[in-house]
Amino acid sequence: KQEVTQIPAALSVPEGENLVLNCSFTDSAIYNLQWFRQDPGKGLTSLLLIQSSQREQTSGRLNASLDKSSGRSTLYIAASQPGDSATYLCAVRPFVRGYALNFGKGTSLLVTP
Amino acid sequence: GAVVSQHPSRVICKSGTSVKIECRSLDFQATTMFWYRQFPKQSLMLMATSNEGSKATYEQGVEKDKFLINHASLTLSTLTVTSAHPEDSSFYICSANVIDEQFFGPGTRLTVL
Repeated sequence: KQEVTQIPAALSVPEGENLVLNCSFTDSAIYNLQWFRQDPGKGLTSLLLIQSSQREQTSGRLNASLDKSSGRSTLYIAASQPGDSATYLCAVRPFVRGYALNFGKGTSLLVTP
Repeated sequence: GAVVSQHPSRVICKSGTSVKIECRSLDFQATTMFWYRQFPKQSLMLMATSNEGSKATYEQGVEKDKFLINHASLTLSTLTVTSAHPEDSSFYICSANVIDEQFFGPGTRLTVL
């Protein structure tokens, strides 16, 4: 059974800092990996999608990397802003298409002004 | 990105009543939708996979007679929590795939008194 772990569970940084969120998974047979953002009491917003054949994806100040063989992904946030405060979830999709995602517990990020 | 809506966003009900939650794909067709549940400070856990025109597939430990799923059209799946009890209070969220990416609804907060 796929286990997804996110470290750290919580993080507080001052505005402007660059930061890295970590995600690890136990089964490297994945189809893709997605990073999401969840604001309190809200649904999930997809941030980045990395296919299993890709090494990284970038969107604005966000960069996600994937090392499938070692079962790791990182989400890099550059020049953090208070508006980045949210919970960030990592999810992997099994190799068989059509299957649901396996989620980590998330990293709760607080960016202070 | 694709848009998934849910209704209602929040519901409070008495113990023993049934509650129906709707999940709609607004700008695409979804033969498969997924229903997740999220308890406070926990990650999303898959409850069931909803298949248009056929029976839903439930995850281990999820009672199919308690959580009724109907996927009657390519844009609508419903989850009915029957005879709800306080332990069913949770955040219910649905999703659907567009090609390789999964998009989530805004979620429904269920509180059973």
